[in-house]
Amino acid sequence: GAGVSQSPSNKVTEKGKDVELRCDPISGHTALYWYRQRLGQGLEFLIYFQGNSAPDKSGLPSDRFSAERTGESVSTLTIQRTQQEDSAVYLCASSQTSGGSSGDTQYFGPGTRLTVL
Amino acid sequence: AQSVSQHNHHVILSEAASLELGCNYSYGGTVNLFWYVQYPGQHLQLLLKYFSGDPLVKGIKGFEAEFIKSKFSFNLRKPSVQWSDTAEYFCAVSPNNAGNMLTFGGGTRLMVKP
Repeated sequence: GAGVSQSPSNKVTEKGKDVELRCDPISGHTALYWYRQRLGQGLEFLIYFQGNSAPDKSGLPSDRFSAERTGESVSTLTIQRTQQEDSAVYLCASSQTSGGSSGDTQYFGPGTRLTVL
Repeated sequence: AQSVSQHNHHVILSEAASLELGCNYSYGGTVNLFWYVQYPGQHLQLLLKYFSGDPLVKGIKGFEAEFIKSKFSFNLRKPSVQWSDTAEYFCAVSPNNAGNMLTFGGGTRLMVKP
């Protein structure tokens, strides 16, 4: 079946512009996660959704970052007034549930490489 | 908050050599443990995971990992590497409660010379 998809695959923008990144999770997966990977670093957690709710937004770096999810499906991550330090690969993952005790596997998308000039 | 350390940032091996990649985490509670792999040009995929039971976990492509609770470690091993194992390997931890968000180590780049 189809995996997690993300669009665009690459995005180059100018400092100060807004960008919107999209994630289509695996069908039926209720949990959706956003991570960021800066060059040479590991992945950092940004936000997760259980259904359309975001119980944990603790990883969002600043109030310029926001995310939403609709229909328990597609999610968009929006970065307003982009800065050069926002340059990174933004990864989306989904899992069947977010219940930690089940150790549900997160399946990752290919990522969106964002470059802020 | 939990953290994950991968002590080897770059590893270079010849084919048929044995591999062990270190992973240590800090978290006071019960955790789920994962190893993910990213082959060149591909996206992250799960190699193996531990959440309960036998602490020696076997994954795909001949990889295994052992959870040693007393050492807060989850080292990845493979007895004999192949050129196709060239990739970046990430250890990750999630607390065994609601949320399941992963905390990743910094990754280890493995290069296997043919």
